[in-house]
Amino acid sequence: DTAVSQTPKYLVTQMGNDKSIKCEQNLGHDTMYWYKQDSKKFLKIMFSYNNKELIINETVPNRFSPKSPDKAHLNLHINSLELGDSAVYFCASSQGGPYTGELFFGEGSRLTVL
Amino acid sequence: SQQGEEDPQALSIQEGENATMNCSYKTSINNLQWYRQNSGRGLVHLILIRSNEREKHSGRLRVTLDTSKKSSSLLITASRAADTASYFCARFFYNQGGKLIFGQGTELSVKP
Repeated sequence: DTAVSQTPKYLVTQMGNDKSIKCEQNLGHDTMYWYKQDSKKFLKIMFSYNNKELIINETVPNRFSPKSPDKAHLNLHINSLELGDSAVYFCASSQGGPYTGELFFGEGSRLTVL
Repeated sequence: SQQGEEDPQALSIQEGENATMNCSYKTSINNLQWYRQNSGRGLVHLILIRSNEREKHSGRLRVTLDTSKKSSSLLITASRAADTASYFCARFFYNQGGKLIFGQGTELSVKP
């Protein structure tokens, strides 16, 4: 069983469209994250949720809206997509936050905006 | 910036050789973690070292932390072709509930 799963794995869309990426973890963790990896492999945190509560919002445009219906799911909705949104988006989870241990990452969702 | 630097950006070695990757940071950390990313895959945790620790081992991996120099290194001994991947250090900052900050990583290529 996949521990952290993201769908879709690939997403190709036009500028201006709205898209969503879904993430689910079956590890029983209480904290989930969205990271964005750019073409230079630089990995930047976007959001963090702990028990469905937003705890980190890292200066991300408000076109990005995370939603956590329960602590096992963290979805990312992006409105009015722009060329610069093209990247690989990673979902991750951990128990008790990164202070206590490791992050478990999904396989990534590669978003291409044309 | 909080990110610091990872060095080198790319490293190419022969199988059997050792690989050393370095990571520096600018502000105090609570812990530092190393991750590996194979091409097209997600990141996988390797080792976590806390600010009061100086060295940790895991199999062929050795991580050191020098808080006075604000730097860490990852040593992979007797490298294998399967070690080819990008290696990232992630620095933990205890604010806003905690943030794990990654850099651009070191791209390691191990030639058979």
